[in-house]
Amino acid sequence: EVQLVETGGGLIQPGGSLRLSCAASGFTVSSNYMSWVRQAPGKGLEWVSVIYSGGSTYYADSVKGRFTISRDNSKNTLYLQMNSLRAEDTAVYYCARRGFYGSGHYFDYWGQGTLVTVSS
Amino acid sequence: QSALTQPASVSGSPGQSITISCTGTSSDVGGYNYVSWYQQHPGKAPKLMIYDVSNRPSGVSNRFSGSKSGNTASLTISGLQAEDEADYYCSSYTSSSTQVFGGGTKLTVL
Repeated sequence: EVQLVETGGGLIQPGGSLRLSCAASGFTVSSNYMSWVRQAPGKGLEWVSVIYSGGSTYYADSVKGRFTISRDNSKNTLYLQMNSLRAEDTAVYYCARRGFYGSGHYFDYWGQGTLVTVSS
Repeated sequence: QSALTQPASVSGSPGQSITISCTGTSSDVGGYNYVSWYQQHPGKAPKLMIYDVSNRPSGVSNRFSGSKSGNTASLTISGLQAEDEADYYCSSYTSSSTQVFGGGTKLTVL
């Protein structure tokens, strides 16, 4: 059974750093492309970042230069290192797995999300 | 990386059909048949309903269907049921190798 479990969220002051983790089971993270998607309170979904199976990474303009996506194949875990955090980064952060069928350019499994609150 | 455009809200009575539109550009919706749709109930993670424009994952009711014409994709829900009341988001792959979501549509079942 595929499962994604995010951890690492919490309350952090503006300018601070936080690392989110997404532990995967039931499949191999390194063989898939994985994304982070966030949702600010009462707002819509916003794509944040992707890491492809080959290791290429891409970011939304809103986080480029501040966030870094990575993975640890030995731990089958996805990470999001978030630096220089701003109030507008406050959101529930979801990790999501690329789809198994067709193009794969969609998300078939999502974690339960972890809340990041940036506030002084 | 502008968000795709969706109506903020739609509504319908039980048994009726509704359609939610999702408008992008030739760099995303119009350029690829890689549009997906997600349903999200309050406090829950999104759930995949449609992928690659018109494909339904196993377990999703055939009351849900998707289509695309030019830069606009659509999600149609037929035979509306109370449990369909939720937020719906479209998403597309982009020419920048990224993903983009729509702003979301709140579906109210009257």
